[in-house]
Amino acid sequence: DIQLTQSPSFLSASVRDRVTITCRASQDIGTYLAWYQQKPGKAPKLLIYAASTLQSGVPSRYSGSGSGTEFTLTINNLQPEDFATYYCQQVNSLYTFGQGTKLEIK
Amino acid sequence: QVQLVQSGAEVKKPGSSVKVSCKASGGTFSSYAITWVRQAPGQGLEWMGSIIPIFGTPNYAQKFQGRVTITADKSTSTAYMELSSLRSEDTAVYYCARVWIGTAMASLAFDIWGQGTMVTVSS
Repeated sequence: DIQLTQSPSFLSASVRDRVTITCRASQDIGTYLAWYQQKPGKAPKLLIYAASTLQSGVPSRYSGSGSGTEFTLTINNLQPEDFATYYCQQVNSLYTFGQGTKLEIK
Repeated sequence: QVQLVQSGAEVKKPGSSVKVSCKASGGTFSSYAITWVRQAPGQGLEWMGSIIPIFGTPNYAQKFQGRVTITADKSTSTAYMELSSLRSEDTAVYYCARVWIGTAMASLAFDIWGQGTMVTVSS
């Protein structure tokens, strides 16, 4: 099974900050990686697929990069609605999620 | 636009089974896969299994093999997830989602989600 490790698990930031979340895969998954945002009590929302392609309707302050085993999600100019938990997911061999990164307001 | 609407919350006894439904509206149900993901309280997301209704053959995460059954009824555009031999650790929100596959390489993700169904396992 492919394992995903996200870092950090918790992140504290302020509005207008830039933050980066890293996701490492236990083996090469090419660009078969997606990112999701989840707010309390809500279903996850797809942000990025194929490692770097923004889902329709997602603000351009979100970006993704990486391939192989290391990936990043970057959020520029943090807005109040961005404070949530973020998950990476590999879709190369069945599906696995990272453990999540909780982004909190400083 | 495809929407997924799940059945309501359930409270079950340990050792029993639960069956959660996921009804799709809009789009062509048989043309995409439906997947199930669960989330225990305060925990992360855990993939359970998927099914492509037009083929009817599911695949399951190894952890749930033998305990989970995913089916789909094309006539009602409804997918089902049944989990048996319930234990307290199965207390979670269970989500269905659509597996979207695009034309570009690596374009695969869960793009539309149901609202979630809370399953509580308690004696």
